[in-house]
Amino acid sequence: KNQVEQSPQSLIILEGKNCTLQCNYTVSPFSNLRWYKQDTGRGPVSLTIMTFSENTKSNGRYTATLDADTKQSSLHITASQLSDSASYICVVSGRAGGSYIPTFGRGTSLIVHP
Amino acid sequence: GAGVSQSPSNKVTEKGKDVELRCDPISGHTALYWYRQSLGQGLEFLIYFQGNSAPDKSGLPSDRFSAERTGGSVSTLTIQRTQQEDSAVYLCASSSAPGPQPQHFGDGTRLSIL
Repeated sequence: KNQVEQSPQSLIILEGKNCTLQCNYTVSPFSNLRWYKQDTGRGPVSLTIMTFSENTKSNGRYTATLDADTKQSSLHITASQLSDSASYICVVSGRAGGSYIPTFGRGTSLIVHP
Repeated sequence: GAGVSQSPSNKVTEKGKDVELRCDPISGHTALYWYRQSLGQGLEFLIYFQGNSAPDKSGLPSDRFSAERTGGSVSTLTIQRTQQEDSAVYLCASSSAPGPQPQHFGDGTRLSIL
């Protein structure tokens, strides 16, 4: 069964600090891995997308890594800001025929305190 | 419009009633997804449309759920004979192509079944 596990479930940090969120998956065959940011009451917004051959991707203060051998990914947030407070969701898509069906993690809830 | 639009934003209905949820994807996007997000749970894939191909309905939880996409644009998700466990946020996303492309989400419809 395809699964995506994220840790920690929640995290509280001080503004300006760095943090790293983890994602482990068992999706096969693997197509791509995405990280999304979801603010309360809003739809998720894409941060990064990585395919099998990519092991790092940056988007501003967000840097995602992918180890396809160990089936692990991380999202590193640098110099956190209050606006980074949100849920961060890891999504892994497998390919079945012509379909790319995503499996979602439950997310890490990040709170940034001033 | 500039983004994915969903309507209504909130829907409250009585158990046993039918509901229709609407999604207007970004113009020109060929791929359209419906997801469900229950309280405290990760997003759950429901159905996927790609161009004129037959939709992937593998995520629909029961035959009370159905979806259409007319003219390759607007999509409607219909839930018949609603049950209390159908209460959730229903999210729609579109992308310019299948595979490792960013999915653009609407802000969802919050459905509450009394």
